[in-house]
Amino acid sequence: GQQVMQIPQYQHVQEGEDFTTYCNSSTTLSNIQWYKQRPGGHPVFLIQLVKSGEVKKQKRLTFQFGEAKKNSSLHITATQTTDVGTYFCAGYTGTASKLTFGTGTRLQVTL
Amino acid sequence: NAGVTQTPKFQVLKTGQSMTLQCAQDMNHNSMYWYRQDPGMGLRLIYYSASEGTTDKGEVPNGYNVSRLNKREFSLRLESAAPSQTSVYFCASARDRAMNTEAFFGQGTRLTVV
Repeated sequence: GQQVMQIPQYQHVQEGEDFTTYCNSSTTLSNIQWYKQRPGGHPVFLIQLVKSGEVKKQKRLTFQFGEAKKNSSLHITATQTTDVGTYFCAGYTGTASKLTFGTGTRLQVTL
Repeated sequence: NAGVTQTPKFQVLKTGQSMTLQCAQDMNHNSMYWYRQDPGMGLRLIYYSASEGTTDKGEVPNGYNVSRLNKREFSLRLESAAPSQTSVYFCASARDRAMNTEAFFGQGTRLTVV
């Protein structure tokens, strides 16, 4: 079945450093969505990319969707302690309503 | 506007007991999902429902059953709980697959099977 892997599984950075998480799907995705889950919370939607090669920015966050629509990345510039949490990618394949999530990357930021 | 409501928030079961996790959404969404979250495993899809009256298996359906009672409600049942089902369970809903819309999550149910 479809698998969506993310690397790294865990990253610890000093505040002000950059951070990147990578998402790789075993199958072509119709779209890619990114979610953030704060410790003890539930996943919250951040953004969606639909087009091959698409790049979107949200303040310090930059999201990319690969040309083959099988991979994506999230880059955070100058991390802050408020960025702490687990970041998930997710996507639909084909016409099914099945929304598959990646394994997640847990980000820890210290002063 | 409550969004997605899950009950209960916490539950402890003995091995072999049964229980139903309830989920309701008030956003008139068509699609609903049940995920389980375990450390290092991400969010794994148990079952989903694309519309009222339909359900489909996800990645890890064994040991679970679901019911899409109406458009608002999607319940998850454990017939005979096992320690391997200890996890955090999230229900989610999305407006429409064709619209590639975002998923909204409930607060989660923390289930422990002893």
